[in-house]
Amino acid sequence: SAVISQKPSRDICQRGTSLTIQCQVDSQVTMMFWYRQQPGQSLTLIATANQGSEATYESGFVIDKFPISRPNLTFSTLTVSNMSPEDSSIYLCSVEEETGSSSGANVLTFGAGSRLTVL
Amino acid sequence: GQNIDQPTEMTATEGAIVQINCTYQTSGFNGLFWYQQHAGEAPTFLSYNVLDGLEEKGRFSSFLSRSKGYSYLLLKELQMKDSASYLCAVRDSNYQLIWGAGTKLIIKP
Repeated sequence: SAVISQKPSRDICQRGTSLTIQCQVDSQVTMMFWYRQQPGQSLTLIATANQGSEATYESGFVIDKFPISRPNLTFSTLTVSNMSPEDSSIYLCSVEEETGSSSGANVLTFGAGSRLTVL
Repeated sequence: GQNIDQPTEMTATEGAIVQINCTYQTSGFNGLFWYQQHAGEAPTFLSYNVLDGLEEKGRFSSFLSRSKGYSYLLLKELQMKDSASYLCAVRDSNYQLIWGAGTKLIIKP
């Protein structure tokens, strides 16, 4: 399966600043997904990053707050802008892969996540 | 609205069997996934069910009943390393993944 490198693994940020999270995949993929995981809550999809086009954002997430870049088929960045304590969360990058099983399911492979704490 | 329900936390004993339930209400159904997530790590894929019945994979099995909107993950011969959160996710008719909040499983010696 794909190997995803994500950095930073964790950071402590000041209110009002912005932080960019990088995600590198060891193979070319069409779509890359950015998720947020807040303590005790389910994974929430922020946006889907496609190479060569604008990212597609889910309800409740906007480009001004979470700008995304996708310069090639192996790399993407997510910026968390003008951070507030409510943005403290784990941010996960993921890609979709075929399992190779008879069911034909596509499953998600995740990066190790970036744990952001906003003071 | 769409939702996935699973217990917040469960405790079991090493060597025993535990069943983690997941019920779902989604707009359409295109498969159900179970993921394992150790503390501070990424979720990793465990199993996939799209048809009713039991899928067995070593010590782990997953069951699905589409008519009841119900699945369970069965873990046998529990080991300490099985202490983790277990996430249930359903792909709806739009192929969107709807995630449960996860069940934290604590294994005691």
